[in-house]
Amino acid sequence: LAKTTQPISMDSYEGQEVNITCSHNNIATNDYITWYQQFPSQGPRFIIQGYKTKVTNEVASLFIPADRKSSTLSLPRVSLSDTAVYYCLVGDGTHNTNAGKSTFGDGTTLTVKP
Amino acid sequence: EAGVAQSPRYKIIEKRQSVAFWCNPISGHATLYWYQQILGQGPKLLIQFQNNGVVDDSQLPKDRFSAERLKGVDSTLKIQPAKLEDSAVYLCASSLDSRLAGRTGELFFGEGSRLTVL
Repeated sequence: LAKTTQPISMDSYEGQEVNITCSHNNIATNDYITWYQQFPSQGPRFIIQGYKTKVTNEVASLFIPADRKSSTLSLPRVSLSDTAVYYCLVGDGTHNTNAGKSTFGDGTTLTVKP
Repeated sequence: EAGVAQSPRYKIIEKRQSVAFWCNPISGHATLYWYQQILGQGPKLLIQFQNNGVVDDSQLPKDRFSAERLKGVDSTLKIQPAKLEDSAVYLCASSLDSRLAGRTGELFFGEGSRLTVL
């Protein structure tokens, strides 16, 4: 299984930038890196996906170094509503990878305080 | 576009009873997944369907869990008999055809069915 490692939890304050790093040392050549967000009582929701360097959309940025063995999700100016669990997944965004199946870890619980 | 629909949202049963969950994926999505999410943990894949065929059921406890997707659209997940440790949220997700090489995929999740086994 394509394994990822993330911090268990992070705290932040409203208006700050939050960076969550994910390690994926055995990422395969054709694998993408995808981040999901999950609120209580809801299913995970796609945030962003990237292959290398930097990707930005309306809610987040994703930084991927040249060796692709890690990635950093950046949330600019967080608000209370960004309190959630964040998961990274390597593969094609689903469970298919070139090295076998990928799996959700236990994610990073982000708590944004006022 | 309608999302992934699941029912029921909540179910409470006694141990050794049976329960069934239903999922209707996004129209046109060939791949359907069932996950089990225990409180405080990430989703764990139970079974993956490609149309009406099973792609991966390696983590499905087959002595008590079963799932089907007979016409390649809706799916049901059944637990019989339930155990206390089956208390969890059962999430259904769908995606476009996951077999297409080079495509970048995305999972679309339903809101889940919360099961409590007493």
